[in-house]
Amino acid sequence: QSALTQPPSASGSPGQSVTISCTGTSSDVGGYNYVSWYQQHPGKAPKLMIYEVTKRPSGVPDRFSGSKSGNTASLTVSGLQAEDEADYYCGSYAGSNREVFGGGTKLTVL
Amino acid sequence: EVQLVESGGGLVQPGRSLRLSCAASGFTFDDYAMHWVRQVPGKGLEWVSGISWNSGDIGYADSVKGRFAISRDNAKNSLYLQMNSLRAEDTALYYCAKAFSSGFPAGGMDVWGQGTTVTVSS
Repeated sequence: QSALTQPPSASGSPGQSVTISCTGTSSDVGGYNYVSWYQQHPGKAPKLMIYEVTKRPSGVPDRFSGSKSGNTASLTVSGLQAEDEADYYCGSYAGSNREVFGGGTKLTVL
Repeated sequence: EVQLVESGGGLVQPGRSLRLSCAASGFTFDDYAMHWVRQVPGKGLEWVSGISWNSGDIGYADSVKGRFAISRDNAKNSLYLQMNSLRAEDTALYYCAKAFSSGFPAGGMDVWGQGTTVTVSS
């Protein structure tokens, strides 16, 4: 039951786009269309940004989008804004009533 | 207002037990699966355990299997985590989270509490 693999950091300038990857295996990311993404600001609880690979909960800006290819899922943030600076975590169903998270990516807006 | 409020955390010696609670309000609790997720300060999220709407499906992370037990009381809109044989590595902030779905897969966790801190130390 290993954590999903994310790059520790990512960055972009305001207005630019940045993509964060989340790599798993055929037993989790690749095997199910149940990948989610969470944003966490310091000292705050995580916030759901994307669910079921591509869906956005109500209230999440359409600047946030998700995709998946094989065992790797991606979160793209377009039109970067200062308030997007946060930690981002991916999550996936891993079968047999188990869920798994990625190690997290710190997004810096330059 | 949709809300989850955790309680029950604290300082406990290695090998001892602790029971966490999560009080839910603002949504139909027994329509949804619920999960516990923990986070060591400065580190990432770790899924701990989940339970379906009717307690029929339960799952645990390998790191806690056999030591922790999740349960829920739909009449009381409450989720619980009984933690036994606690270890130093169980020290973390424990979040209660509502799933999108009624069972597994969670389909995403769309409501989170603010967490309760568990410290395991002699």
